[in-house]
Amino acid sequence: DAKTTQPNSMESNEEEPVHLPCNHSTISGTDYIHWYRQLPSQGPEYVIHGLTSNVNNRMASLAIAEDRKSSTLILHRATLRDAAVYYCILRDGWGNAGNMLTFGGGTRLMVKP
Amino acid sequence: ETGVTQTPRHLVMGMTNKKSLKCEQHLGHNAMYWYKQSAKKPLELMFVYSLEERVENNSVPSRFSPECPNSSHLFLHLHTLQPEDSALYLCASSQDGTANTGELFFGEGSRLTVL
Repeated sequence: DAKTTQPNSMESNEEEPVHLPCNHSTISGTDYIHWYRQLPSQGPEYVIHGLTSNVNNRMASLAIAEDRKSSTLILHRATLRDAAVYYCILRDGWGNAGNMLTFGGGTRLMVKP
Repeated sequence: ETGVTQTPRHLVMGMTNKKSLKCEQHLGHNAMYWYKQSAKKPLELMFVYSLEERVENNSVPSRFSPECPNSSHLFLHLHTLQPEDSALYLCASSQDGTANTGELFFGEGSRLTVL
């Protein structure tokens, strides 16, 4: 799987938008961009994924650059419960059986009241 | 509640013990996974089962032995572990066959300490 690069940590104020960047300059045409987050003392949870177009769901929005070499996860209004490690992961849409995801170090988001 | 349940949540064992971790998913999925999360390291994929067949063994030492008796249950049998095997072991499930875009659902993990 192609590699992603994320900042180690970011800070945000409560109720403000947060933009979490991810660089993936070696992305291939069949790679999907997945985002997961891991809250303290829990397993990772799915946030959102996309291929080319921007995506929105109840948790977040995903903005994908036109050349697909970078993407941004947008939390529209950060809450204290959004403090977590956020992982940006590429997954080949036509890979082997099993949705095998390779996790990197992620971005630790801290939310200040 | 993610629909993936892991037991026990905490386990302390000696290096000569034999123990097992259990994972059960109530989501009707057909693929299950074991990941290992050590302190200050990224999650590492250990094993993948798809339709009850092992499809991935990510160079895991033989002291870790997985078992998938059916699509809802996954075990990780532990034997003669080392202190460096102490970690959080996470189980996940997904619905395979969706061009690998389906999401993974993780359990809360089993925290293992090897003395």
